[in-house]
Amino acid sequence: GAVVSQHPSWVICKSGTSVKIECRSLDFQATTMFWYRQFPKQSLMLMATSNEGSKATYEQGVEKDKFLINHASLTLSTLTVTSAHPEDSSFYICSARDIRYEQYFGPGTRLTVT
Amino acid sequence: QKEVEQDPGPLSVPEGAIVSLNCTYSNSAFQYFMWYRQYSRKGPELLMYTYSSGNKEDGRFTAQVDKSSKYISLFIRDSQPSDSATYLCALDTGRRALTFGSGTRLQVQP
Repeated sequence: GAVVSQHPSWVICKSGTSVKIECRSLDFQATTMFWYRQFPKQSLMLMATSNEGSKATYEQGVEKDKFLINHASLTLSTLTVTSAHPEDSSFYICSARDIRYEQYFGPGTRLTVT
Repeated sequence: QKEVEQDPGPLSVPEGAIVSLNCTYSNSAFQYFMWYRQYSRKGPELLMYTYSSGNKEDGRFTAQVDKSSKYISLFIRDSQPSDSATYLCALDTGRRALTFGSGTRLQVQP
């Protein structure tokens, strides 16, 4: 199956700093990528939809100025958490959709803000 | 009412048992139906993908979709301890991101 990678897999940062998470589709092109957030023992919550070459579409309640998304190519999308706070600590997962509408997920990035 | 309802479990079964996981949904616009498996602290892994009513089989896994009842199922035959994970149903209208069920935690006892 298709492979999606995320980097880093785990990051610890201090409150007030910014963190960038990369999502790459390794063996297919993805015009659409999605960013999800998952708290312990809860399901995935969609944060935003990222389309190559255009602005991301954010879900209600998600601050676009805090969670900056860039989808610069058909294989790369980045999520930058700006001015991170402890409540931003979570598991961030990206997915990439292929031309058959199948979505493949990355392994996730665990963010801990101290 | 949530768009997708899924029993969170946990569901505990002995090794070798047949497991039945289910989701119901309310939005008839959903056209694509998926089942994902997620191990702790890992990203979801696509198990089954279907877009029509009926059954689809892949090894020990069978996905069943009944659009008239808005009901989808995943059956796991000869369950193994390695099947212990959270199983998420996911539905898609084709125009936006997936809508997930809350996930069912499965524990297969050796």
